[in-house]
Parts: sequence; C-alpha cells; structure tokens
Amino acid sequence: QVQLQESGPGLVKPSETLSLTCTVSGGSVSSYYWSWIRQPPGKGLEWIGYIYYSGSTNYNPSLKSRVTISVDTSKSQFSLKLNSVTAADTAVYYCARDTGNCFDCWGQGTLVTVSS
Amino acid sequence: DIQMTQSPSSLSASVGDRVTITCRASQSIHTYLDWYQQKPGKAPKVLIYATSSLQSGVPSRFSGSGSGTDFTLTISSLQPEDFATYYCQQSYITPRTFGQGTKVEIK
Repeated sequence: QVQLQESGPGLVKPSETLSLTCTVSGGSVSSYYWSWIRQPPGKGLEWIGYIYYSGSTNYNPSLKSRVTISVDTSKSQFSLKLNSVTAADTAVYYCARDTGNCFDCWGQGTLVTVSS
Repeated sequence: DIQMTQSPSSLSASVGDRVTITCRASQSIHTYLDWYQQKPGKAPKVLIYATSSLQSGVPSRFSGSGSGTDFTLTISSLQPEDFATYYCQQSYITPRTFGQGTKVEIK
C-alpha cells in the first residue's frame, strides 16, 4: 500500500520560498507521475504541477514562473519549491500519485501559512 | 484551461435518498473525468475515474456517467458516511482542473 507524506515548514514569510517534500513509502517513485495540489482554506482544489520519475515536468501556467518540482528517486521523494510567495499562497498542500487517469493516492496534506 | 462547473454547489438530503451531482466541462474532455470525495480535514479520495470506473474499495452505490462535456455522479442510496464535499476533475489535458465542489449535507 503506497503512502505519501508531506513535510516542510508550516510558516513562510512573504516574498520567500515555500519548500515541501513528499516521501513515498510502500512503493517506488520510478513510475507514475507525481503531483502537487493545493487548497486554500475553505476553497477548492488547484493543481500545481507534476513530475515524471524521469524528471520531466508539467506546471500549471498560473504558477509556472514561480514553481519548481524535482524528484530524488534514491530517496523516494519529490519536492516542491514555490518562490516569491504572498498571502494568496496560504493553503493546504497535498502531494499525490497521478496515474494519468486520476490522483489515486494522496498525502494527508500540510498547511502552509504565508505571514510575516 | 478547461473550466469545470458543478451543480448544485450544495444540497441537503436524507439517508437513503438518491443523489445526483452534475459536472460540465467548457470543452469536450471525452471520458477523462474523475470524481473525488473530501471530508473535513482530510485529503480527497478518488471514487470514480474515466467517467464510470469505480476505484477499488469504493461502494457500488456510487456510479458515474457521461461523455463529452456533461457528466453525472450518482449516489443510489445516501449513507451517513457520504456526507462530504464532492469534486469533479478533468484528466484530459493539463493543467488538470477541478470543479468548485458540491457539499452534500444532512437534511
């Protein structure tokens, strides 16, 4: 049973970089696509982007200029960096496995608050 | 981007009711449509993928249909554990996009 777990700071200052890591257990990152999705408090879901284990990426154009997703297959981890954050980036951030058909496994989510 | 519009935004229903939620895409997505259930404080959980395929472990009271731009999620007999928010999502092209959600509440 594949499990995903997000980790990283829960508080980031405006204009700084949000950095999160997703650790995959019970399976390998060396297949599938691996996505980041976020949800502002009380709002809907927004797909941020995905990475394939080979390293190829695809980002939401709305965030593309600020986002980097990377993968470390040796550690079974993939990571998100979002720079120049503002209060609008405050959200619960989820990592998820993307089969190409759906997001079939999700992490529990981590709340990141942007505030000074 | 493909816009996904769900209706209604919320509904009240009783245990045992048949519930239908609709999702409309701004352009054809063929059958690349998924449905998720989200409970408060929890991650979404996939119920149905590719319009009508039931994810493993999901009760058979959940079903999906549609094609092109119009899709439906049906709960045949609402159970207490089904009170939640439901999202549709298109997996036809990137960026992947979600509907705004439908909150199913107890009547």
